[in-house]
Amino acid sequence: QQQVKQSPQSLIVQKGGISIINCAYENTAFDYFPWYQQFPGKGPALLIAIRPDVSEKKEGRFTISFNKSAKQFSLHIMDSQPGDSATYFCAAPLSGNQFYFGTGTSLTVIP
Amino acid sequence: GAGVSQSPRYKVAKRGQDVALRCDPISGHVSLFWYQQALGQGPEFLTYFQNEAQLDKSGLPSDRFFAERPEGSVSTLKIQRTQQEDSAVYLCASSSKEAGFKTQYFGPGTRLLVL
Repeated sequence: QQQVKQSPQSLIVQKGGISIINCAYENTAFDYFPWYQQFPGKGPALLIAIRPDVSEKKEGRFTISFNKSAKQFSLHIMDSQPGDSATYFCAAPLSGNQFYFGTGTSLTVIP
Repeated sequence: GAGVSQSPRYKVAKRGQDVALRCDPISGHVSLFWYQQALGQGPEFLTYFQNEAQLDKSGLPSDRFFAERPEGSVSTLKIQRTQQEDSAVYLCASSSKEAGFKTQYFGPGTRLLVL
């Protein structure tokens, strides 16, 4: 059973546009929602994270929006740049420190 | 040491061979995680250590997979009698108590190809 469902699988955005990636979860015990960025040949790197007691968190061009009632959270990349082209994963931990990752979204930003 | 390091970066094994993958976590990080990432997929949890204690090994896919961290720092993931379905990138991550354990720092991974 997939603990987090991520969409879309791939995304192409024009430079300067907004990239939006969505994740849905089922388990209400999840208490921390990170987004990871992964470049080819590299390990995932933490981009931004949110806890369920807030509805939005912004860091530079990256924003997480969190909808507790809908059990959804999304990543918004404002003013998308070619350097943002990468694979993005949402994730959520259950008890302890085990993380469940989404299936990933391949983002391509066209110059 | 700036970050998590893993070796080898690439490993080609013949089906049936044993392999050992090494992870050097960030110095001082007590928690260490192993994940398996199939092509085009997200990482999947394998096992978790706190210091030298293996607290969770529920993600290990079979008894051919074995992980250890005898001195609470370097960890080794061993796969015995490798099968083609074991081909994947194996990621190691570490975290610290100061970061609340939720912030996991990943290494670059070991890409394993079983022929």
